[in-house]
Amino acid sequence: GENVEQHPSTLSVQEGDSAVIKCTYSDSASNYFPWYKQELGKGPQLIIDIRSNVGEKKDQRIAVTLNKTAKHFSLHITETQPEDSAVYFCAARINTGNQFYFGTGTSLTVIP
Amino acid sequence: GAGVSQSPSNKVTEKGKDVELRCDPISGHTALYWYRQSLGQGLEFLIYFQGNSAPDKSGLPSDRFSAERTGGSVSTLTIQRTQQEDSAVYLCASSPNFLGQPQHFGDGTRLSIL
Repeated sequence: GENVEQHPSTLSVQEGDSAVIKCTYSDSASNYFPWYKQELGKGPQLIIDIRSNVGEKKDQRIAVTLNKTAKHFSLHITETQPEDSAVYFCAARINTGNQFYFGTGTSLTVIP
Repeated sequence: GAGVSQSPSNKVTEKGKDVELRCDPISGHTALYWYRQSLGQGLEFLIYFQGNSAPDKSGLPSDRFSAERTGGSVSTLTIQRTQQEDSAVYLCASSPNFLGQPQHFGDGTRLSIL
């Protein structure tokens, strides 16, 4: 099956700085990559996703890049704000099924 | 519209008791997933339902765990003879049956075994 690795496990940045979280996957058949934000006591919420036919997608301060050759994808948050503090999970789905494979999460702290 | 609803939000029970956790997926979503999340950890896949197909039970940690989905909608996760290591947040998610669509999660049931 697919194996998704996520780094770093914890990340602290000053408010206004950028944050980058990286994930790698093992199965070249993976073609859909969502990112989730999980706040304390809540379920993960989708913040952005990318499909394998594009290399980059942006939504205001959040962007995701995908390198299919290297099998890695990254989440970029610019102009970070304290409310960005949360745990972020990456995931991958293989094109032959409906199973999602999750990274182990990154705890992001934005320091005011 | 309504999201994924899970109940109860919190459950405290004694070791050895059975518990049932409920998930109401988004209307029209044919895929339904259960995950377990221990404190400060990632998402551990438990079981997956897709329409009328046989469920993928490959993630269930022991035969004390079972789940069913009635009428292709509501799902119940049952844990028999609970153990302290079963304490965790149990998350349910649903998604439409087309590729390239995300899962939508509920807020989970926090289970504490005394």
